[in-house]
Amino acid sequence: GAVVSQHPSRVICKSGTSVKIECRSLDFQATTMFWYRQFPKQSLMLMATSNEGSKATYEQGVEKDKFLINHASLTLSTLTVTSAHPEDSSFYICSAEGGSETQYFGPGTRLLVL
Amino acid sequence: GENVEQHPSTLSVQEGDSAVIKCTYSDSASNYFPWYKQELGKRPQLIIDIRSNVGEKKDQRIAVTLNKTAKHFSLHITETQPEDSAVYFCAASLPSNDYKLSFGAGTTVTVRA
Repeated sequence: GAVVSQHPSRVICKSGTSVKIECRSLDFQATTMFWYRQFPKQSLMLMATSNEGSKATYEQGVEKDKFLINHASLTLSTLTVTSAHPEDSSFYICSAEGGSETQYFGPGTRLLVL
Repeated sequence: GENVEQHPSTLSVQEGDSAVIKCTYSDSASNYFPWYKQELGKRPQLIIDIRSNVGEKKDQRIAVTLNKTAKHFSLHITETQPEDSAVYFCAASLPSNDYKLSFGAGTTVTVRA
């Protein structure tokens, strides 16, 4: 149980375009979903917390207009990187929590902006 | 907010030996402490967790201990195997903070065959 999927697993895009990443909890309802960014050989950096039907809460320093988060249902959250630039290239990982505090992570999306 | 420090940053052990990773946290109200294992390019996977009402928890070769007074917790891996090689992250969460996890910087464990 507690499976989280993420799509796409890898994306390459041109600078200035937008990229949407989906995060789904497959076998449980996620009360809360979290979005992280991870640079090579670094820890996970929380970007935002997402609750179904409400606005996401962004961490300090994360631009909410650049990283749009939508949590449309208890099993789906999306992160859209708008007007992507090379410095946005990173590994983006979501996690889902089903009421027990335990976070289960998706497989991640590797974004490369050219 | 919560601040988690993790040591060591790298750890090399001989196959069959034990590995110990230590973490400290700053906020005494933190009550949930998971450990994740992340292989290169993969998702972090929960390997064990402990809550503040418990001092020790064990699952086969993996154990975690928690000292609330000293605000530190440790991961112990016994009889290490090459497949234990990965990056391990500790984390702590505050109930007053929407259960957001504060992660340590990670420990790269290498098990030498």
